[in-house]
Amino acid sequence: GQQLNQSPQSMFIQEGEDVSMNCTSSSIFNTWLWYKQEPGEGPVLLIALYKAGELTSNGRLTAQFGITRKDSFLNISASIPSDVGIYFCAGQRNNAGNMLTFGGGTRLMVKP
Amino acid sequence: DAGVTQSPTHLIKTRGQHVTLRCSPISGHKSVSWYQQVLGQGPQFIFQYYEKEERGRGNFPDRFSARQFPNYSSELNVNALLLGDSALYLCASSSPSGGYSYNEQFFGPGTRLTVL
Repeated sequence: GQQLNQSPQSMFIQEGEDVSMNCTSSSIFNTWLWYKQEPGEGPVLLIALYKAGELTSNGRLTAQFGITRKDSFLNISASIPSDVGIYFCAGQRNNAGNMLTFGGGTRLMVKP
Repeated sequence: DAGVTQSPTHLIKTRGQHVTLRCSPISGHKSVSWYQQVLGQGPQFIFQYYEKEERGRGNFPDRFSARQFPNYSSELNVNALLLGDSALYLCASSSPSGGYSYNEQFFGPGTRLTVL
């Protein structure tokens, strides 16, 4: 089953608002990733984090790799309708090849 | 360039049957991974193959098997289907490179399997 606890499970916000979601784990990961999945498609990588404490931005998205390596958060600023989708965090351990452990997802809905 | 392609798009089977799902990686990618995504949950890792060899296996029963062909395409086979096998099956490809330990995986659109 899932090893990453992702919250909130869903969010319904007004266009222009900022969004924050986070992911926690009981064990350490060496890489944290944030994906977005839209209906009928596979997950698409948004941000990859490789070092504890790292803060990375991609446009209106900002993500941080927690110092303990057991958590990460994703912020979306000034949300727009096309931000709608399901956001997943994922962790990867060294020597685990490409095996990713995913969170349960945060469903984001944006009201114009 | 074409992304990861999967076939079929949708599939309906009955309990006890066998199913084969197919994946073609992005050109030049030698690693393929399979994930199962049950409705309302995040994907769960099933297998990784690299250069036709199994490199990783998730916590799935032996009814699940896979293989990778010389052209790096891959098949996922599931025997003796159960109702609980109903899910979206995702394939992801990646191209190993030096430097970071993680190689970005590109996901296909998935195959939606329904077991009745």
